[in-house]
Amino acid sequence: KAGVTQTPRYLIKTRGQQVTLSCSPISGHRSVSWYQQTPGQGLQFLFEYFSETQRNKGNFPGRFSGRQFSNSRSEMNVSTLELGDSALYLCASSRSPRQANEKLFFGSGTQLSVL
Amino acid sequence: GQNIDQPTEMTATEGAIVQINCTYQTSGFNGLFWYQQHAGEAPTFLSYNVLDGLEEKGRFSSFLSRSKGYSYLLLKELQMKDSASYLCAVRDQGGATNKLIFGTGTLLAVQP
Repeated sequence: KAGVTQTPRYLIKTRGQQVTLSCSPISGHRSVSWYQQTPGQGLQFLFEYFSETQRNKGNFPGRFSGRQFSNSRSEMNVSTLELGDSALYLCASSRSPRQANEKLFFGSGTQLSVL
Repeated sequence: GQNIDQPTEMTATEGAIVQINCTYQTSGFNGLFWYQQHAGEAPTFLSYNVLDGLEEKGRFSSFLSRSKGYSYLLLKELQMKDSASYLCAVRDQGGATNKLIFGTGTLLAVQP
């Protein structure tokens, strides 16, 4: 069974540009969450999607947005990039968010560098 | 506010036992997770605790005390491959959500 796939693996952008990151969950998983990982802050929750609906959103500015498609694949978009957006963006999938002990399966992430 | 504290770094010797502590202060509690992350790789699930007590799984065990807001991950018979970052995370909300609050992680270095 293939794991969570994130593309691209590495991305270099300049300030002011926008970027779209893609995530394909494990087959059969319908819940996708996004996290930002930086050395100082650790993993911080961005948003969560289930059945194409955003169910939860973290404390990030409106420049960060996302969506989920009918095949459960998800994309996140960051507009007007800032230097501080440089981070590893991790996608995680699970079957559904309904079970409290539902474990998340993470992808290897997209390393975004903003110059 | 939401706060999860872990030591930043730890060093241990191959074959030894190491305990990684995690304390949390969250508005709610609906389970605590431990993940392992090797450099450049995806975090992988290690354990889940929602009730007080010890959960053992091979060389790894995880303990939870909800009244103290405290958990630890115990690694026995350390191997070089255990060198990694260990992430403590709390699900602070009930209901249907996968939102986790993570600590900054503990970087464990296992030495020969």
